[in-house]
Amino acid sequence: DQQVKQNSPSLSVQEGRISILNCDYTNSMFDYFLWYKKYPAEGPTFLISISSIKDKNEDGRFTVFLNKSAKHLSLHIVPSQPGDSAVYFCAARDTGTASKLTFGTGTRLQVTL
Amino acid sequence: EPEVTQTPSHQVTQMGQEVILRCVPISNHLYFYWYRQILGQKVEFLVSFYNNEISEKSEIFDDQFSVERPDGSNFTLKIRSTKLEDSAMYFCASSGTGASNSPLHFGNGTRLTVT
Repeated sequence: DQQVKQNSPSLSVQEGRISILNCDYTNSMFDYFLWYKKYPAEGPTFLISISSIKDKNEDGRFTVFLNKSAKHLSLHIVPSQPGDSAVYFCAARDTGTASKLTFGTGTRLQVTL
Repeated sequence: EPEVTQTPSHQVTQMGQEVILRCVPISNHLYFYWYRQILGQKVEFLVSFYNNEISEKSEIFDDQFSVERPDGSNFTLKIRSTKLEDSAMYFCASSGTGASNSPLHFGNGTRLTVT
């Protein structure tokens, strides 16, 4: 079941630069998308979300872009900080199963000095 | 900020034994969930719970699994007879509503090791 894919298992970015994390999905019924950040030995922490009726949502340094026709979303972090180093998960909900999140496999972001 | 708390952080058990994983969701949240992550794999949905009953469950959540809200604050996951393949991180989560735009808040997880 690969309904949500994060094709880059890891990403390294210099401090101060932009980090771009990508996510693709296949299920047309997904109507809400979320990004979670996870540190080792902790649970996923909610970062930012976007509804399928929007194409952009911004919260401070974090912006999520949604391209419905391409079934693609991305998370931009600018400027990147060392504390952003973590695993980032893309997740999606569909209209029929609002209580269930489908997660991607995650992208490990390393922000270097 | 209110948080979801899970106990224990690590549980080791022998195959065939029963385990109960405990969670205290955020106090004013109404929807509760269990997810798990087998090492190196995705976070997977197990079950959602609302108004004292299961609202949705995955194919992983078979008869060996059960959930309960025994009082006003705790939410538990019981695995009746553990198997080696049940070894995983189990995450509890809660949300204020069941609406699509209500994000889930996760606990730090319980690492279950079945030997």
